[in-house]
Amino acid sequence: EIVLTQSPDFQSVTPKQKVTITCRASQSVGSALHWYQQKPDQSPKLLIKYASQSFSGVPSRFSGSGSGTDYTLTINSLEAEDAATYYCHQTGSLPYTFGQGTKLEIK
Amino acid sequence: EVQLVQSGAEVKKPGESLNISCKGSGFQFTNYWIAWVRQLPGKGLEWMGIIFPGNSDTRYSPSFRGQVTFSADKSIDTAYLQWNSLKASDTAIYYCARRDDGGGWFDPWGQGTLVTVSS
Repeated sequence: EIVLTQSPDFQSVTPKQKVTITCRASQSVGSALHWYQQKPDQSPKLLIKYASQSFSGVPSRFSGSGSGTDYTLTINSLEAEDAATYYCHQTGSLPYTFGQGTKLEIK
Repeated sequence: EVQLVQSGAEVKKPGESLNISCKGSGFQFTNYWIAWVRQLPGKGLEWMGIIFPGNSDTRYSPSFRGQVTFSADKSIDTAYLQWNSLKASDTAIYYCARRDDGGGWFDPWGQGTLVTVSS
C-alpha cells in the first residue's frame, strides 16, 4: 500500500498569503496524484487532477506540481473562503490512498 | 447534471445490519467505477474500495475486506454499501464518488451518509 504523507498537518495563514502544501508518496505514483478541498460539513471537491491539471471551475489561484514521489499544492493570494482541509490522493496503484489532510485556518 | 445522491442518515445498534445507497444520474452509471470513502468523526478520508456497476466487479481495500460488502443494481443506477453486523467503531460519514474513467480521480462525490452505531 502506498502511504501519502502531507505537510504541514495544520497551518494558520493570513489572506493574500501564498500557501504551499506538500505530499510525499512512499513509492512513485506516476503523476496519478490528485488534490481535494473539503470544507466543514461538505463533501470533498476535486481541485487538481494528475498532479498539475486544474479541474473545471477551480479558481486559478490553485495550482499543482510534482512527479514521482513528491507533489505540491500551491494557493496563491489566499482568500477567506479557502479555509478548509486539503487532501492528496493517489490512484497509481490499488489500494488507492489519501494523505492525512492539511487543515488551513485563516487568521 | 452529473450527480450522486446518497440515502439519509442512519442510527443503528451494535450487531444490526445496514444498507446505504448511492444513486447516480446524468451519466451512464454502468460505465464508471463507484468508490466508497469513510470519514471517521473529526478524521481524514479513507478509501474503502470500488465497484463497477456494469458487472459488479469489486476491489476492496485490505482494511475493509470482509468488513463490508459492495453491490449494485444497474437497473436503477444505484450502488450499495452493506454491513452484516455493525460495530460502534463503524460510526462515520460514508461517501460515494465516481471514479473518472481516464485518470482515476473522484468526481462528483455524493453528499455523504452519516451512520451512527450506538447502544
